[in-house]
Amino acid sequence: KAGVTQTPRYLIKTRGQQVTLSCSPISGHRSVSWYQQTPGQGLQFLFEYFSETQRNKGNFPGRFSGRQFSNSRSEMNVSTLELGDSALYLCASRLEGPGELFFGEGSRLTVL
Amino acid sequence: KQEVTQIPAALSVPEGENLVLNCSFTDSAIYNLQWFRQDPGKGLTSLLLIQSSQREQTSGRLNASLDKSSGRSTLYIAASQPGDSATYLCAVIGTAGNKLTFGGGTRVLVKP
Repeated sequence: KAGVTQTPRYLIKTRGQQVTLSCSPISGHRSVSWYQQTPGQGLQFLFEYFSETQRNKGNFPGRFSGRQFSNSRSEMNVSTLELGDSALYLCASRLEGPGELFFGEGSRLTVL
Repeated sequence: KQEVTQIPAALSVPEGENLVLNCSFTDSAIYNLQWFRQDPGKGLTSLLLIQSSQREQTSGRLNASLDKSSGRSTLYIAASQPGDSATYLCAVIGTAGNKLTFGGGTRVLVKP
């Protein structure tokens, strides 16, 4: 059974650009959540989607957005990139409700 | 607001010693608690999930306990090996909106 797949794994952008990250959940999982991990702030929750609807949202500016498609795949977008957006972005999926969470390998974003 | 704390932030032990990792949380209204392992630059690997109705969960050399009333969980790793060197994170899923809150992690080094 395939795990959570995130693409791209690594990317470099410059300030002001935008980026789109993709996440394919484990087959059958309908909930997808996104996290930002930095050395200074640790793991911070961005948002969670379930059946194409945003269910929860963390405390991030509107530059961070996401969506979920009918096949449960999810994308997150960061517009007008800032240096501080450099981080490991992790996606996780679960069946539904408070079930076990499974993570992908992450997308490492570097903003220059 | 749920707060999750892991102390110590780092520890070093000789190979063969048992590891004891602590996790405390402020709000006992949780569905479950999950322990993860993270290797440098990688995603999170799920180790154990303890449901709020359980007192402990075991998998191989790993044993996790949960005392919901006191807001504490402990992860025990028996007979540590150098391959156990990693960062260990705990996360609680609250009953309000199934939101996941992470601790800051404990970085473990097992010396051969």
